[in-house]
Amino acid sequence: AQKVTQAQTEISVVEKEDVTLDCVYETRDTTYYLFWYKQPPSGELVFLIRRNSFDEQNEISGRYSWNFQKSTSSFNFTITASQVVDSAVYFCALSGNNAGNMLTFGGGTRLMVKP
Amino acid sequence: NAGVMQNPRHLVRRRGQEARLRCSPMKGHSHVYWYRQLPEEGLKFMVYLQKENIIDESGMPKERFSAEFPKEGPSILRIQQVVRGDSAAYFCASSPDRVDEQYFGPGTRLTVT
Repeated sequence: AQKVTQAQTEISVVEKEDVTLDCVYETRDTTYYLFWYKQPPSGELVFLIRRNSFDEQNEISGRYSWNFQKSTSSFNFTITASQVVDSAVYFCALSGNNAGNMLTFGGGTRLMVKP
Repeated sequence: NAGVMQNPRHLVRRRGQEARLRCSPMKGHSHVYWYRQLPEEGLKFMVYLQKENIIDESGMPKERFSAEFPKEGPSILRIQQVVRGDSAAYFCASSPDRVDEQYFGPGTRLTVT
């Protein structure tokens, strides 16, 4: 069975602070994908990143960066110099080498960035 | 290329009525997934369909819920005799292939009164 844990249910920061959202996963699959999605107050799901299990290189995209560590089964997400528009719920998700490729989501972390 | 379309965006039903949620995948996508997000919770997988076939419905409640993805037309998630506990956001996602990334629609927010 697959499982994704986002231990931080809610984080509050002041604008311009850096913030890291934690994600820990469990899977028996040897090949799998990890994802991050953003859900702003409007409710839609915005895709941020997909990373496959063979690629442990960290990735940076503007103010966003991701740290994938297979040894600790973690895929953490850092926002540098946070902005009020970053306020949203962020979901980490996992899909494995199963028949359907369906996503297993973590419970989400609500990030509030205050001006 | 239009994204995944879902309609209606908001749906209100009284207990005992039927709810029909529609999902039109992105052009060229033949794989559709339905997920449910209960209030203040993460998303949970319900069902995975490929054109005219249900591939995996392990996340679907055994009663009152059904899904289809006909050869022509959108995928439909149908909930019969709705109850208050069915109130949730229902998201559809599509992908061109089983292993590709899933693109999500805007969701349908179902409220059962």
